[in-house]
Amino acid sequence: QVQLQQSGAELVKPGSSVKISCKASGYTFTSYDMHWIKQQPGNGLEWIGWIYPGNGNTKYNQKFNGKATLTADKSSSTAYMQLSSLTSEDSAVYFCARAGRVYPGDWFAYWGQGTLVTVSS
Amino acid sequence: DVQMTQSPSYLAASPGESVSISCKASKSINTYLAWYQEKPGKTNKLLIYSGSTLQSGTPSRFSGSGSGTDFTLTIRSLEPEDFAVYYCQQHNEYPLTFGSGTKLEIK
Repeated sequence: QVQLQQSGAELVKPGSSVKISCKASGYTFTSYDMHWIKQQPGNGLEWIGWIYPGNGNTKYNQKFNGKATLTADKSSSTAYMQLSSLTSEDSAVYFCARAGRVYPGDWFAYWGQGTLVTVSS
Repeated sequence: DVQMTQSPSYLAASPGESVSISCKASKSINTYLAWYQEKPGKTNKLLIYSGSTLQSGTPSRFSGSGSGTDFTLTIRSLEPEDFAVYYCQQHNEYPLTFGSGTKLEIK
């Protein structure tokens, strides 16, 4: 069965960076886009972007250009998202989610459990 | 960006009843709309995509309809496990965008 296992909660200082991981299993990692989504209380869900692990191609929401960097390691079937220059506005739960089907399929058939990032001094 | 307006934000119903949740897009998204269920302690669940296509494993009491800008998620004969938060998401164009959610509670 498809599973996406995300890394644990992070408490980080303003101005620093954090890297979240999402280990995939149960399907061919290189065949499906992996999306990342931000959830803040009161702000709902925001799509950050996707990475295609097969070749490393990425697509970002313009709002997150310069904030988020998506990468993937085919050897370990793990996707990563690095968030930089963190502020309190980046405090949120971040989800990885697998695309619904091989391109095009920009809906999210499987979700990780979420990683809470708290930015505080 | 395509704005998704979901209503109501809160809905109370009893098991056995039927309910409908609306999702309106700020411009036409053809039929490219997905619906998700969020429950505490569980990963989010895809219910429907492309407006009306049930994801494998979604019970048949769930249905999706609509095209263009107006969409509806209908749940017939509510079961206890259906009480949750529901989100819509357009997958017609980038950036992908979500509705603000509907919390379905037991009356």
